Amino acid sequence: EVKLLESGGGLVQPGGSMRLSCAASGFTFTDFYMNWIRQPAGKAPEWLGFIRNKANGYTTEYNPSVKGRFTISRDNTQNMLYLQMNTLRAEDTATYYCARKGGARYWYFDFWGPGTMVTVSS
Amino acid sequence: EIVLTQSPTTMAASPGEKVTLTCRASSSVSYMHWYQQRSGASPKLWIYETSKLASGVPNRFSGSGSGTSYSLTINSMETEDAATYYCQQGSSYPLTFGSGTKLEIK
Repeated sequence: EVKLLESGGGLVQPGGSMRLSCAASGFTFTDFYMNWIRQPAGKAPEWLGFIRNKANGYTTEYNPSVKGRFTISRDNTQNMLYLQMNTLRAEDTATYYCARKGGARYWYFDFWGPGTMVTVSS
Repeated sequence: EIVLTQSPTTMAASPGEKVTLTCRASSSVSYMHWYQQRSGASPKLWIYETSKLASGVPNRFSGSGSGTSYSLTINSMETEDAATYYCQQGSSYPLTFGSGTKLEIK
């Protein structure tokens, strides 16, 4: 059974940093692209970026809205995905999800974690 | 960036009623994907590659469309279908979602 479980959320001050983690199980982690997606309360999800699989060199792509502030990484020995967030702003307040890329060719997200909430406030 | 516009924003349907949700893209996309999100839960893949039902999705659901216009149809509304539905395009970066349609039961 595929499982994704995020952790590391909480309250952080504006300008601060936070690192989120996602523990993956139930599939061959290195075979899949992994994503971070966030969703402010009552709003639509926003894709933040992904990290490619082993076959594609674990390179990354980001949404321009967070490029330069957010960094995605993975530890393939521990089946962990990370999101490092710097210079946080109030508008970064949201529930953050990790999600697996589903299609080999087409971009959709077939499994999501339950999410971890991040609140940026003084 | 491709903007996805969903309509209606909110709607209510009676049990047994046929429901159609639409998603329009600002530029042509190859496929559309749909997610169902119940209150307090994470989104679930519901329909992928425009018309394929995700595992466990009842066959009263269907998807169709091409180019800039896509739709999700429920043949006969059931209570458990009340949720918010989001469309998502994967044709170009950044990947984007629609603003959602909240579907309620009458």
